Amino acid sequence: KAGVTQTPRYLIKTRGQQVTLSCSPISGHRSVSWYQQTPGQGLQFLFEYFSETQRNKGNFPGRFSGRQFSNSRSEMNVSTLELGDSALYLCASSSLAGGPKETQYFGPGTRLLVL
Amino acid sequence: GENVEQHPSTLSVQEGDSAVIKCTYSDSASNYFPWYKQELGKRPQLIIDIRSNVGEKKDQRIAVTLNKTAKHFSLHITETQPEDSAVYFCAASPPAGYALNFGKGTSLLVTP
Repeated sequence: KAGVTQTPRYLIKTRGQQVTLSCSPISGHRSVSWYQQTPGQGLQFLFEYFSETQRNKGNFPGRFSGRQFSNSRSEMNVSTLELGDSALYLCASSSLAGGPKETQYFGPGTRLLVL
Repeated sequence: GENVEQHPSTLSVQEGDSAVIKCTYSDSASNYFPWYKQELGKRPQLIIDIRSNVGEKKDQRIAVTLNKTAKHFSLHITETQPEDSAVYFCAASPPAGYALNFGKGTSLLVTP
């Protein structure tokens, strides 16, 4: 099976702009989570989607939003970009078939630089 | 929300020695505790995980222990090798859904 893919891999934006990142999970996986990774704060949970519904949300401002499509692909959007939004954005997918948690597989990430 | 503390932030050991990384969590409802290894420039990869109904799990040179009463869990790597050098993250997840709350990471350096 192909792994988790994310597009684009690199992105440069300026303050005030908005950005949309895309994540395609492993085939058959229905749970997609997003994380922000920065040197200072480490890996921080943004939100999780399962069957097009947001199940969990981390402690991020409303400028960060996401959605999941019927084919389990997910997008996250950041509006009104700030310098502090510069980070590696990772998505991860899991089968989450209803039983014990299965392994969560990470994508390669999208590195966002806000100037 | 869940708070996961991880210690130490850096760890340097000689090849062949053991390495231990410790984490504590705050939400007693958390029931899933994975450990991820992230090499420089690469994505995090699961190396071992443990569920709240198990006290210890071992996979070759890697073991994880969980103390639910004290709300802490630890990663043990024996016979360390230079290729074990990486950043290791612990995480805790509540029962509902899949939200991993990560520790800040431990940078492990194994010197030959």
